[in-house]
Amino acid sequence: AQSVSQHNHHVILSEAASLELGCNYSYGGTVNLFWYVQYPGQHLQLLLKYFSGDPLVKGIKGFEAEFIKSKFSFNLRKPSVQWSDTAEYFCAVRDTGFQKLVFGTGTRLLVSP
Amino acid sequence: SAVISQKPSRDICQRGTSLTIQCQVDSQVTMMFWYRQQPGQSLTLIATANQGSEATYESGFVIDKFPISRPNLTFSTLTVSNMSPEDSSIYLCSVDTSVGYEQYFGPGTRLTVT
Repeated sequence: AQSVSQHNHHVILSEAASLELGCNYSYGGTVNLFWYVQYPGQHLQLLLKYFSGDPLVKGIKGFEAEFIKSKFSFNLRKPSVQWSDTAEYFCAVRDTGFQKLVFGTGTRLLVSP
Repeated sequence: SAVISQKPSRDICQRGTSLTIQCQVDSQVTMMFWYRQQPGQSLTLIATANQGSEATYESGFVIDKFPISRPNLTFSTLTVSNMSPEDSSIYLCSVDTSVGYEQYFGPGTRLTVT
């Protein structure tokens, strides 16, 4: 069965610091990869996705993620975080043969001004 | 994209009762999903609901506990039956637009069982 691991449960950063959130998955087949964000009091929103092609994908609000197939990883990055990035971030994986999304446990990011 | 609404947004229920959660989408979609997000945990898929067929339940979830209806391409309901405090959770509706294969999520229903 597929599983998704997010290594950091809680991250605290100061504004302008760089961010990298780890995500590893276990599945040997072809996958689609996603990062979702949930801002306080809001519903889940898609940050970015990878289906194929360039392994470095850019999403909204300056976020990017790199798919490294050999490491089964899809880490999320942002060079300079803002207070408004305070949210919970979820990595998710989907087997291309199915529609089911498998989510990681989430990372709570707190950015202090 | 798809805009999803859920009713109710939150509820406090007594154990042994049932609650039906509604999910409405602003466009026709083939696949709808119901997730549960327990306190401090990630999202777990309960079932997939396609219009015109029985819902497909994930391991650990059964139809008697979580009956689902999907009467048309824009609407679904999830019932949480015979509730216990362990059912306290956020229940989320999600749809797959098939174009871009993105899943969109509703705002969730926060359920507390006392």
